[in-house]
Amino acid sequence: DVKVTQSSRYLVKRTGEKVFLECVQDMDHENMFWYRQDPGLGLRLIYFSYDVKMKEKGDIPEGYSVSREKKERFSLILESASTNQTSMYLCASSLFLRQGATYEQYFGPGTRLTVT
Amino acid sequence: QQPVQSPQAVILREGEDAVINCSSSKALYSVHWYRQKHGEAPVFLMILLKGGEQKGHDKISASFNEKKQQSSLYLTASQLSYSGTYFCGTESNTDKLIFGTGTRLQVFP
Repeated sequence: DVKVTQSSRYLVKRTGEKVFLECVQDMDHENMFWYRQDPGLGLRLIYFSYDVKMKEKGDIPEGYSVSREKKERFSLILESASTNQTSMYLCASSLFLRQGATYEQYFGPGTRLTVT
Repeated sequence: QQPVQSPQAVILREGEDAVINCSSSKALYSVHWYRQKHGEAPVFLMILLKGGEQKGHDKISASFNEKKQQSSLYLTASQLSYSGTYFCGTESNTDKLIFGTGTRLQVFP
């Protein structure tokens, strides 16, 4: 059974703290994604990675960075957490997107982050 | 640019049918559909590729009209287990998968 796991289901941090959200997949997928989910706004892509050490900005990268040192692990970093980053964060993975091909994404259970 | 989903919410009785629409301002080459139950991760339902294909499994099917840049998800004879939020995701030549804002579906006995 395919699996994407995230390090925490719930997290509470203070404004200004550095926050790490970890995601691990066991499907040997090349692509990994970080989304944030807010009511009424759907799923918005923050960053994605198509290979180890490779990353690309998504639609809302401001205030975030990512790290992918191993194929199975993709980390989202909030350098200095702010209250407007309070949200649900979802990680996903998929096979490599080559030209003309598209594959389903497998999602983790999410991390609900509250910044106070 | 996010695709537009309509309606935003649907309330059904068991056994009723529903249609959820997804439209984009861009030329698309694929549309994805996912369902997210409350407190759970989104789960993949199906992908439709350009060519106007229609796909389905069980009593959930979908169509993709690439000329109109639209896709529709059809839920027939709805069951309680269909409750959740449905997201479409669209891909174009210039954009990777972009999700819509979701349609909340509630099925009551």
